[in-house]
Amino acid sequence: SYVLTQAPSVSVAPGKTAAITCAGDNIGGESVHWYQQRPGQAPVLVICDDNDRPSGIPERFSGSKSANTATLTISSVEAGDEADYYCQVLDTNSDHRLFGGGTKLTVL
Amino acid sequence: QVKLVESGGGVVQPGRSLTLSCAASRLSFGNHGLHWVRQAPGTGLEWVAHISPDGTYESLTDSVKGRFTVSRDTWKNMFYLQLNSLRPEDTAVYYCARGREGGSLDYWGRGTLVTVSS
Repeated sequence: SYVLTQAPSVSVAPGKTAAITCAGDNIGGESVHWYQQRPGQAPVLVICDDNDRPSGIPERFSGSKSANTATLTISSVEAGDEADYYCQVLDTNSDHRLFGGGTKLTVL
Repeated sequence: QVKLVESGGGVVQPGRSLTLSCAASRLSFGNHGLHWVRQAPGTGLEWVAHISPDGTYESLTDSVKGRFTVSRDTWKNMFYLQLNSLRPEDTAVYYCARGREGGSLDYWGRGTLVTVSS
């Protein structure tokens, strides 16, 4: 079955840029979505369809892809960005939604 | 304010059943697929189930097939997850979410906790 692999943790200083990656076989051919989950809260969609930002999501959040890796980039990181981030795709073979294991972003 | 609200969670013994509900306010379900996603304590998100906009098609993750069913009542703007033959490993916060074209989930509820324990 299809697997999405994320690094368990990423640390970044305030004001710097964070890059959170999601690896999957031929992920470049899939639509990739990203969610932010702050402690004790429900997930929030921050990037859909590779690089679209839903209403209310700051421009500091962006997405990109290569053949086998998708990346969520957060520029000018703020303390409030500290959260778990999950990538997600639609497995068209099974019609299942698949999540990566999540990356904990720590703002130093 | 758009809201999804789950209800029906609680503590249940292994082998028993539970029904979770998800109600929407100021949010239309009608033309959207609806999903359940769960999160076991201290772990990541796991997609569980999906029902199509017209309610005729559902898909379930392999670990719950034959035990869970998903349904919807479009007129009431509600949908449901029936959990049967519960196991301790089903212990999790269960979130309902609305699906978008392209496969993302754009609105989520706050979740309801299901604890399976004797």
